Amino acid sequence: RKEVEQDPGPFNVPEGATVAFNCTYSNSASQSFFWYRQDCRKEPKLLMSVYSSGNEDGRFTAQLNRASQYISLLIRDSKLSDSATYLCVVYNAGNNRKLIWGLGTSLAVNP
Amino acid sequence: GAVVSQHPSWVICKSGTSVKIECRSLDFQATTMFWYRQFPKQSLMLMATSNEGSKATYEQGVEKDKFLINHASLTLSTLTVTSAHPEDSSFYICSATRLAGLYEQYFGPGTRLTVT
Repeated sequence: RKEVEQDPGPFNVPEGATVAFNCTYSNSASQSFFWYRQDCRKEPKLLMSVYSSGNEDGRFTAQLNRASQYISLLIRDSKLSDSATYLCVVYNAGNNRKLIWGLGTSLAVNP
Repeated sequence: GAVVSQHPSWVICKSGTSVKIECRSLDFQATTMFWYRQFPKQSLMLMATSNEGSKATYEQGVEKDKFLINHASLTLSTLTVTSAHPEDSSFYICSATRLAGLYEQYFGPGTRLTVT
């Protein structure tokens, strides 16, 4: 089983739609969780950290369920510029401070 | 702040030659740098973790004699792909952390290597 699993998609949605991505992780000792965004042929960029109580940044909402080892990202009112690959990332300080990356979920927002 | 640069941004080389990629932290001291590789339509794969002044720790399956990593200063790490082959063609990305114990990684823009 992969340490971080995501539905690869692709998700094709119209502008203005709400879309949700899910991610599961296998190591219950994982401490920190992130969503990164990666555009084609570019480096990944941090979108947001995921906190236990859930957190929101504009149109983006992240949720964490430690009991189920599940992370989600909700994007409301999708924009064309949201088209990218969204990577779920997990961190465990006991794992030599490595980030463990999911394969990513591809999103295409269509006009 | 926390800018990481990579050089070159792209390189084409012939099979059998060696290529050096530089990763620099421009406005902070990076105690740890990470080297990743990404093949098309795949996720980032960590190749090695590099701490300043010590030998790099390579991930399983990554040949340390083929991918030479040097982290001689707090602002510079280099990855040398020795005797490159077409299957080494990939997107190589480095990242850096500011201080020991912190997890936030700052990524360079990546280097696209094509071996012909």
